[in-house]
Amino acid sequence: AQSVAQPEDQVNVAEGNPLTVKCTYSVSGNPYLFWYVQYPNRGLQFLLKYITGDNLVKGSYGFEAEFNKSQTSFHLKKPSALVSDSALYFCAVRAPIPMDSNYQLIWGAGTKLIIKP
Amino acid sequence: DVKVTQSSRYLVKRTGEKVFLECVQDMDHENMFWYRQDPGLGLRLIYFSYDVKMKEKGDIPEGYSVSREKKERFSLILESASTNQTSMYLCASSLWVGVSNQPQHFGDGTRLSIL
Repeated sequence: AQSVAQPEDQVNVAEGNPLTVKCTYSVSGNPYLFWYVQYPNRGLQFLLKYITGDNLVKGSYGFEAEFNKSQTSFHLKKPSALVSDSALYFCAVRAPIPMDSNYQLIWGAGTKLIIKP
Repeated sequence: DVKVTQSSRYLVKRTGEKVFLECVQDMDHENMFWYRQDPGLGLRLIYFSYDVKMKEKGDIPEGYSVSREKKERFSLILESASTNQTSMYLCASSLWVGVSNQPQHFGDGTRLSIL
């Protein structure tokens, strides 16, 4: 079965330190990978995506993510965390070949990122 | 700029009521989605639509129905609300289904409480 795992419910980082939010997946073929962020009482906002090409993808707000095919991972990173980065982060995957015309995203459970001043 | 608008931010209803959640997008997107979000469970897809009057079941369609009479509007209906449908409901839209690398754009959500 296809799945996405975000192994950490919560990540705590001091402001100014680098941050990593982990995501691993199990999907047939070469997947399309996404990261979204949700600020309190808001909907989700698209951060970045990997489709093909360079394994390091740059996105909004200084975030980047590294696609690692051998480890089936797509970890979200930022070199220097800000307090304003505190939010809920979701990883999502879509298989490139539809099954039964279902183009659904498969979502991780989310990781709460807390940046402490 | 992309805009997905959900009609209510907060809604309180009673058990057994028929509840309508409305979503409008202004981007001329073909695809629209309804999710519910519960702590620790992430997002679960209820229904999605890839065209006017077209709909497909997601992972948890039981107790829900949808309506898409116009391209920009996608309604979620709780036929007979129950307390286990208390949740945050998120609407999203994206470009047509054949382009599977397009991101989804979300509304701010409706926090629904069923008493």
